[in-house]
Amino acid sequence: DGGITQSPKYLFRKEGQNVTLSCEQNLNHDAMYWYRQDPGQGLRLIYYSQIVNDFQKGDIAEGYSVSREKKESFPLTVTSAQKNPTAFYLCASSMQGRTYEQYFGPGTRLTVT
Amino acid sequence: KQEVTQIPAALSVPEGENLVLNCSFTDSAIYNLQWFRQDPGKGLTSLLLIQSSQREQTSGRLNASLDKSSGRSTLYIAASQPGDSATYLCAVHRVGGGADGLTFGKGTHLIIQP
Repeated sequence: DGGITQSPKYLFRKEGQNVTLSCEQNLNHDAMYWYRQDPGQGLRLIYYSQIVNDFQKGDIAEGYSVSREKKESFPLTVTSAQKNPTAFYLCASSMQGRTYEQYFGPGTRLTVT
Repeated sequence: KQEVTQIPAALSVPEGENLVLNCSFTDSAIYNLQWFRQDPGKGLTSLLLIQSSQREQTSGRLNASLDKSSGRSTLYIAASQPGDSATYLCAVHRVGGGADGLTFGKGTHLIIQP
């Protein structure tokens, strides 16, 4: 089955700890994205990568970091600098190019207390 | 800055009705518009993608239209079923303006009453 997997589904952390969310795709897509979803708000773009070893900041990148060492993987680290990390995080991928459809993973719900 | 608005925020209708969900965007410079469905606690499922040069797309009981010049899109659902109950999200892939990704509306929460 082709698709996007995110793990874990639920994640709990103490304030001040860094945490890494996993995103893997086997769709052979070049582009990958991270979005954040908060109640009552639309999804917002955190980081994106159009190709391996390259990534760009989205609209709300502060307090987050990413890497893109493999085409299939785009992990997101939520650092202690992120002021409000509790949210639902969604990973997406698409073929390279802005006209292509984005496909989303099942999401990771992060709770920081 | 691109902004996407979806009206209504919530909608409840009896099974079998045809219905229309609305999406508007402030900047007509877009590459494409995508409609998604989201079930509670789940990821997004892509329903339809309309390129900026297209006027509409159809998939089964769903039909989406795009009027780029007026900054509007509609999602038409025919013969609604209880399984259609979900939140429907509209998103545009913006041209320029910084980050390269989708800008989303807040969604329409749809309930189809059996």
